[in-house]
Parts: sequence; C-alpha cells; structure tokens
Amino acid sequence: GAVVSQHPSWVICKSGTSVKIECRSLDFQATTMFWYRQFPKQSLMLMATSNEGSKATYEQGVEKDKFLINHASLTLSTLTVTSAHPEDSSFYICSAADDSQQFFGPGTRLTVL
Amino acid sequence: QKEVEQNSGPLSVPEGAIASLNCTYSDRVSQSFFWYRQYSGKSPELIMSIYSNGDKEDGRFTAQLNKASQYVSLLIRDSQPSDSATYLCAVDLGGSYIPTFGRGTSLIVHP
Repeated sequence: GAVVSQHPSWVICKSGTSVKIECRSLDFQATTMFWYRQFPKQSLMLMATSNEGSKATYEQGVEKDKFLINHASLTLSTLTVTSAHPEDSSFYICSAADDSQQFFGPGTRLTVL
Repeated sequence: QKEVEQNSGPLSVPEGAIASLNCTYSDRVSQSFFWYRQYSGKSPELIMSIYSNGDKEDGRFTAQLNKASQYVSLLIRDSQPSDSATYLCAVDLGGSYIPTFGRGTSLIVHP
C-alpha cells in the first residue's frame, strides 16, 4: 500500500507556542489530504479536508484560525496548531487519498504543558 | 443526524475463537464501507473494504454487508492475541467520499 509519513511523531510544547506538523505522501500524489484528531478512547474526528492549491474545508466546530492548514503540493500538507493550549493535547493523524481509499500517516502525539 | 455506531466493548474472546464485530449506520445512500484496525498509540490501518451486499473474505477476515438493514460486520476467524486492538468501522455517509468513523470496538483475545 501507499506510504504516508508524518513529522514529528511526537512533540511537547509550552502553552502559547505554535506547533507545525507535516504530512507527506511518499510514493503517490495525493490531491486530497485529511487531518484528524483523536482524544484517548475516542474515535477519529475529522478536522479538515485539504486540497492541493486551495483553502482547506474545516468541519463544524474546528477553528480555522487556530488550526492552519497548508497544502502547497501534491505530496505535502501541514497543520499548524497556533497558540496551543493543554486542551489541544491529542493524537493528530493525517491521511492522503488516492482514487479508492485513504492511507493514514503514523500520527503525531502533541502534548501541551 | 448521520452516524456510525459501534459497541465500544471490550469484546473478549479466547484464542482460536471467532470474533464478531458489528457496525450500524444511519443512511441508505452509503456505498463504501471500511474496517480499520488500530493498535494503542498507533494510527489506523485498513483491513477490509466492502461495497456490495454479501460476504467478502480475505484470509482470516470476513466482512459482511447488509445495506437493507444498514449494518456491516467483521468476522475474525482463529483469533490470535495479536488481533487484540480497536476495530474502527468507517462509512461514507450520505454518499460522501469522506468516510465517517465509528468509535471503535475494543477486542481482547486472551490465550
């Protein structure tokens, strides 16, 4: 199957700082990438859908000014958590889609102190 | 409200038994159905996809789809301790190409 990478795999930051997470499709071009968040013992919650070269589409309740998404190329999307707070601590997972299915990245564990 | 429902479990089965995981969804328009396995602290990995009514088998896994009753299930034969994980059902509700995930069912296979 296709490979999707995320970097970093984990990050610890102080409250008020910004954190950038990268998502790359390594062996295929992904016109669409998705960003999910998963709290402990909860399901994946879609945050936004990102299409290359256009603005991301955010799900209801997700603040677009807090979670900045950039999809500058067919193989790279970034999520920046701005002014992070402890309640933003979560497992952030990206996925990249081809014509038939989504391929998930390994996830990024964010801890905000 | 469009939803994908799963029993959170845990479902506990002995090694070698058949594990049966169920999922119901809220609308009749859905066309694509997926089962993912997620180990603790890891991201989901796709096990099976199914698009037509009936059974689809892949090794020890069988997905069953009944669109009229709006449920999809996953059977795991000869369960192994390594199958212990959370199993997520995903459905393209409303025909959207973006799947909606259920909360997942925790499976424990004990030796």
